[in-house]
Amino acid sequence: DAGVTQSPTHLIKTRGQQVTLRCSPKSGHDTVSWYQQALGQGPQFIFQYYEEEERQRGNFPDRFSGHQFPNYSSELNVNALLLGDSALYLCASSWGQGVVGYTFGSGTRLTVV
Amino acid sequence: EDKVVQSPLSLVVHEGDTVTLNCSYEVTNFRSLLWYKQEKKAPTFLFMLTSSGIEKKSGRLSSILDKKELFSILNITATQTGDSAVYLCAPTGTASKLTFGTGTRLQVTL
Repeated sequence: DAGVTQSPTHLIKTRGQQVTLRCSPKSGHDTVSWYQQALGQGPQFIFQYYEEEERQRGNFPDRFSGHQFPNYSSELNVNALLLGDSALYLCASSWGQGVVGYTFGSGTRLTVV
Repeated sequence: EDKVVQSPLSLVVHEGDTVTLNCSYEVTNFRSLLWYKQEKKAPTFLFMLTSSGIEKKSGRLSSILDKKELFSILNITATQTGDSAVYLCAPTGTASKLTFGTGTRLQVTL
């Protein structure tokens, strides 16, 4: 039974570019949440997708956007990259917008230069 | 704004020691508190606590929640080098997002 899968594992981008990160949820899960984890910090909630709609959003600018597909997989897009966007981006999946069984992927390490 | 404070920020102990990690929180419409262990990348689930005073145990790890005083503790007995990691607590409210603290970095030495 596959867990949460994220791609790519590592990425280097230049300031001002755009990036797309991908997440496939655990089998049986229909809700995907995205987190940003800066070095030495805890993960910070970006947004959550359920039934192909953004249901909740944390304190992140509109440069951060996302999408959920009918198969429950999700993308995180970041436009106009800043050096401060360098972080580990974690995806977590669960069922029915709940937290029981909340499972994290291994993340995408984004470096902006 | 939801707030989580973990202490200590970091801890170095010898193998066999017992450690207590603390988590205090302020969350609107609190529902549950989760503990995670993060070794490299993916945080792995340890406990979910919803009721005060009921200790959850898993091997050498245990955790308890105090909803009146708004804190939780995670205990690890007979620590091993494999326990070295960052331990994160995350309360949840009516919104099912997790609000994480900075974490406690535990290093267990021989």
